[in-house]
Amino acid sequence: GNSVTQMEGPVTLSEEAFLTINCTYTATGYPSLFWYVQYPGEGLQLLLKATKADDKGSNKGFEATYRKETTSFHLEKGSVQVSDSAVYFCALTQGGSEKLVFGKGTKLTVNP
Amino acid sequence: DTAVSQTPKYLVTQMGNDKSIKCEQNLGHDTMYWYKQDSKKFLKIMFSYNNKELIINETVPNRFSPKSPDKAHLNLHINSLELGDSAVYFCASSRIASNQPQHFGDGTRLSIL
Repeated sequence: GNSVTQMEGPVTLSEEAFLTINCTYTATGYPSLFWYVQYPGEGLQLLLKATKADDKGSNKGFEATYRKETTSFHLEKGSVQVSDSAVYFCALTQGGSEKLVFGKGTKLTVNP
Repeated sequence: DTAVSQTPKYLVTQMGNDKSIKCEQNLGHDTMYWYKQDSKKFLKIMFSYNNKELIINETVPNRFSPKSPDKAHLNLHINSLELGDSAVYFCASSRIASNQPQHFGDGTRLSIL
């Protein structure tokens, strides 16, 4: 079945540090890939998405590129802020189904 | 302008009780979902409805019964609550297509005593 593996947290960084959260997936065909963010006490918000190979999703300084050859969708940000502290989820949907399959989430804490 | 709203935000109850969680979306979406997030933050889909019809039903105990009176509402009724049902339950909605993002409510934290 489809699955998503993302790096275990927690991740702790200083403000303005570079962020990478690794995400790899297992799926047949061409899934759509997503990063969602969950701030404390809130629901999930879409951060970015990519729906075909080599697409780059970007939002709020975050980027992720859909790499079919390595089945990866790593999240990056060049300079993190304290306000980026949250739990980040990598997820996929498989064509023909709207079921979101999530990774286990990575908690990011950014210290001033 | 709340897009996906669910009530209540917190629910504390005794084992064996029956409870309901309500969800409403004003985005005009035709598909709605229930997800369960456990204490380790792991998220798993439970149900999905499209235009009031059940389209996804994961291996959830039949004590859980979703009901969709119209495409803007999806409620979750839980019978005979057990300790293991303690979790945060999220409602979400989207357009019907796998490349469409889902919009989530703020969650209902269910605690079973």
